[in-house]
Amino acid sequence: DQQVKQNSPSLSVQEGRISILNCDYTNSMFDYFLWYKKYPAEGPTFLISISSIKDKNEDGRFTVFLNKSAKHLSLHIVPSQPGDSAVYFCAASGRNSGGSNYKLTFGKGTLLTVNP
Amino acid sequence: DGGITQSPKYLFRKEGQNVTLSCEQNLNHDAMYWYRQDPGQGLRLIYYSQIVNDFQKGDIAEGYSVSREKKESFPLTVTSAQKNPTAFYLCASSIFPGFAQETQYFGPGTRLLVL
Repeated sequence: DQQVKQNSPSLSVQEGRISILNCDYTNSMFDYFLWYKKYPAEGPTFLISISSIKDKNEDGRFTVFLNKSAKHLSLHIVPSQPGDSAVYFCAASGRNSGGSNYKLTFGKGTLLTVNP
Repeated sequence: DGGITQSPKYLFRKEGQNVTLSCEQNLNHDAMYWYRQDPGQGLRLIYYSQIVNDFQKGDIAEGYSVSREKKESFPLTVTSAQKNPTAFYLCASSIFPGFAQETQYFGPGTRLLVL
């Protein structure tokens, strides 16, 4: 059962336009959400995060929106640049079924290609 | 420079052989993690450790073993019981285990291939 879903395996946008990457989750116990960026053959790097008590967090060109009622979050990149081309993973944090430990649950990722 | 190092970058395993992947961090982080990534898949948690001399199974622990004898080191052994070990293995660490704001920092990964 996939608790974090990224339904678009890939996305292609033109340089300068907006990139919107989507993520859905099913576990209502998730209370913190993160986006990671990954280049091929490298480890993911943290990009931006949002707590469940907020609906928006902005950092430069990157904005994450959270819609708790829809269990949906999105990452907006404006303007998109060729260097943004990478796989983007959505991740969620919350207590597991056993009790008090937090761990991250990742989606399958979306490959973003920004064309010059 | 603080960070997470993983070695080797590529590792080849023969049938029936155990291999150990190294992960070292000098970030003074308490928690460390091992993930596996397969093509077109997300990161799946193998094992994690919140403190020295303690670790817990993740979602896909079968065929793997770990140890946490030092805060800065969390080696992963892929045993012969792991029938499909070919994957990209990622080690991560975080400052405070058990808190919601658990930003994890990742190493560069080790690609394991079966001969």
